[in-house]
Amino acid sequence: DIVMTQSPLSLAVSLGERATINCKSSQSVLYSSKNKNYLAWSQQKPGQPPKLLMYWASTRESGVPDRFSGSGSGTDFTLTISSLQAEDVAVYYCHQYYSPPYTFGQGTKLEIK
Amino acid sequence: QVQLVESGGGVVQPGRSLRLSCAASGFTFTNYAIHWVRQAPGKGLEWVAVISYDGSKKHYADSVKGRFTISRDNSKNTLYLQMNSLRTEDTAVYYCAKDISEDFWSGLIDHWGQGTLVTVSS
Repeated sequence: DIVMTQSPLSLAVSLGERATINCKSSQSVLYSSKNKNYLAWSQQKPGQPPKLLMYWASTRESGVPDRFSGSGSGTDFTLTISSLQAEDVAVYYCHQYYSPPYTFGQGTKLEIK
Repeated sequence: QVQLVESGGGVVQPGRSLRLSCAASGFTFTNYAIHWVRQAPGKGLEWVAVISYDGSKKHYADSVKGRFTISRDNSKNTLYLQMNSLRTEDTAVYYCAKDISEDFWSGLIDHWGQGTLVTVSS
């Protein structure tokens, strides 16, 4: 199974500041023949189901604000929120869809400092 | 818009069975694979199972293989999860979730239901 490890597990950032969340996979999730990283990011607010933010590591889902961006390739990935807004308080999960069983990171809890 | 509504959760004793349902609307159900993903109270997400658009292919997490069965009725736009030999560690909110791809599956989930809580306790 591919193990997904996120860091940090909790993060407090001031409004308007940058937030950075890291995700590392135990093996590459880059499908070389397609040159695509099978890595997604989702956001879960309290009492709600997860919501897809990014896929292919850096493609924003429709309707997601452009302050959210994703980067990385192979085994190391980053989700960046360029200017934190109050509504961004949530738990963020990375998720590999390279091969089943599909696995998630432990989650990173993002709060306002 | 896409809607996935789970039902069937509740409190059940260890070793007993429970069947969850997920009613889908707002998209062509017969074209998409659907997943079950669970979340234990206060914990992270755990993928459970997936079924292809036509029900011909299924895949399970090792933690539920042999105990849980995923199925679908495309005439009713409904997904099921039959859970047998339940254990306390199966306690979780169970989400049904739509795959993004019109194929057997891609593994990428683009829509989630609100979830139904299953509590396994004596």
